[in-house]
Amino acid sequence: NAGVTQTPKFRVLKTGQSMTLLCAQDMNHEYMYWYRQDPGMGLRLIHYSVGEGTTAKGEVPDGYNVSRLKKQNFLLGLESAAPSQTSVYFCASTQSGTVNTEAFFGQGTRLTVV
Amino acid sequence: AQKITQTQPGMFVQEKEAVTLDCTYDTSDQSYGLFWYKQPSSGEMIFLIYQGSYDEQNATEGRYSLNFQKARKSANLVISASQLGDSAMYFCAMREKEGGSEKLVFGKGTKLTVNP
Repeated sequence: NAGVTQTPKFRVLKTGQSMTLLCAQDMNHEYMYWYRQDPGMGLRLIHYSVGEGTTAKGEVPDGYNVSRLKKQNFLLGLESAAPSQTSVYFCASTQSGTVNTEAFFGQGTRLTVV
Repeated sequence: AQKITQTQPGMFVQEKEAVTLDCTYDTSDQSYGLFWYKQPSSGEMIFLIYQGSYDEQNATEGRYSLNFQKARKSANLVISASQLGDSAMYFCAMREKEGGSEKLVFGKGTKLTVNP
């Protein structure tokens, strides 16, 4: 029972490089979210998806792009990484339709941009 | 405007005592859900407890209970008989419908330290 899996777990990028973070869930959840966690800021929503082929902006979307080509996968892309994007990134998924279902989280990706 | 407010950046409690972590929320929806998550130093997010906006009784899960005061828009987490393993970050979160979809938003968290 994998749940939500994030790849990679750690990454160091140079300023200007690009990368893609992969989130995969095996629970057939409709909703998927990408958050970033910074000290003192809690978890801030970057982008989210309410189903295959759909994406929407969250609280801090600038500098990131996402895609949901398959229901089980939600990709977060950084086209030109900046030091301000150094953070821990979490992916989460949840059922849709009601507000009473918990979100399941991946283990996080620690990204450092130098 | 912040949707979830946790006013206590850090809290300290003695082992075996109870502690309350505060959470207030802002929404105009009638239907919403409130959640508490624990994040230990290892980094994973652990679901603790849920309260629905229509639930008349406060939620309880073992040593965790949620003091839900709808009129005040507060959903405080109460941990009874604190243990050393309760030392962690605690996040309050709300799931609400917005524009036909559902967003899950978090507060900034409270760092709880349990002293022996």
